[in-house]
Amino acid sequence: DSGVTQTPKHLITATGQRVTLRCSPRSGDLSVYWYQQSLDQGLQFLIQYYNGEERAKGNILERFSAQQFPDLHSELNLSSLELGDSALYFCASSAMTGIAEAFFGQGTRLTVV
Amino acid sequence: AQTVTQSQPEMSVQEAETVTLSCTYDTSESDYYLFWYKQPPSRQMILVIRQEAYKQQNATENRFSVNFQKAAKSFSLKISDSQLGDAAMYFCAYSKRGDDKIIFGKGTRLHILP
Repeated sequence: DSGVTQTPKHLITATGQRVTLRCSPRSGDLSVYWYQQSLDQGLQFLIQYYNGEERAKGNILERFSAQQFPDLHSELNLSSLELGDSALYFCASSAMTGIAEAFFGQGTRLTVV
Repeated sequence: AQTVTQSQPEMSVQEAETVTLSCTYDTSESDYYLFWYKQPPSRQMILVIRQEAYKQQNATENRFSVNFQKAAKSFSLKISDSQLGDAAMYFCAYSKRGDDKIIFGKGTRLHILP
């Protein structure tokens, strides 16, 4: 158990809908990352927050947004969902930035039908 | 842009034998980290081993060791005494020092034959 908690574990929703994925980092970790794992694109970095502030952005669509709250948990919001958004979404956390040692949650499996 | 390439989509090894997974990467940076992550059927991403580019010595973690060739930009993972629990998808990954983004390869699925 990495100590990173993601909910829900599975999510099935229809095209055009909006969903929110939640991540609780390891106790004391200030940095949260979101990754998307799909069959065709592999594992791709989406976005990083550090202590409530956005720190780095990757291949995140404009339909997707994220935030990190004062208690350090993070949410990834996916809207206007398309079939191609079906993927495994991982959250990871680390104590600080720049050390490149992240601990991953078990992921949320999103299926868009 | 940095890229990570794993040329073996699947591999099989007999239990108790040794297997080597290959990885090459491309970067113009001199200071970076390389990783091997394991993703078993539970889909949890587990860090297996980490190598810092400025360290000449190859990292080792129990039955797992790497062969880091900086000039060749090669980073292979050797698993000794393979066990059934080693069956998983293995991802090679790269991160530039100071940049938290981790870039992953496409993965190698490892099968352990009893």
